Amino acid sequence: NAGVTQTPKFRVLKTGQSMTLLCAQDMNHEYMYWYRQDPGMGLRLIHYSVGEGTTAKGEVPDGYNVSRLKKQNFLLGLESAAPSQTSVYFCASSYRDKNTEAFFGQGTRLTVV
Amino acid sequence: SQKIEQNSEALNIQEGKTATLTCNYTNYSPAYLQWYRQDPGRGPVFLLLIRENEKEKRKERLKVTFDTTLKQSLFHITASQPADSATYLCALAVSGNTPLVFGKGTRFSVIA
Repeated sequence: NAGVTQTPKFRVLKTGQSMTLLCAQDMNHEYMYWYRQDPGMGLRLIHYSVGEGTTAKGEVPDGYNVSRLKKQNFLLGLESAAPSQTSVYFCASSYRDKNTEAFFGQGTRLTVV
Repeated sequence: SQKIEQNSEALNIQEGKTATLTCNYTNYSPAYLQWYRQDPGRGPVFLLLIRENEKEKRKERLKVTFDTTLKQSLFHITASQPADSATYLCALAVSGNTPLVFGKGTRFSVIA
């Protein structure tokens, strides 16, 4: 019973490098989300998707891109990493009906030096 | 602007006491509100959901209230135990295809 799985768990990047964070869910959820969590800032929404092939911007989308080519996967890309993107990233998913809980992955700790 | 505020960054309580955590919101008309628990180094875990037409919801030692007039939700933990120590997050969503918006959380510690 995997739930929501994030890859990788930890990563250190140099400024200007690119990377992709992968989120996979096995619950057949329509909705998927990427949040970042910083000390004193709480969880802030980066991008989200309400179904395969759809994406939308959240509160803090600048510097990130996303894709949802398959229903079970939601990718978060950093094209040119900056130190301000040092954070813990969480992926979550939920059913279409908003009256249901969100399931979170274990997080990816990203450091940009 | 829209805001979700949780009463304090940290709350300490003695074992066995009842704790009350507060979530206030402004410029939202949420259809429902959720509470999550987050342990260090882990993702948030869902605890309870309460709808706008519900006043109170219970689950074991947990109780949530929702007052849409005061724009406030209260989260109660009765008979607190050290294992209840964690950060508790409130989150709300309005009707439609809008994602959950989270408060910053309250760090809660139970002292034995």
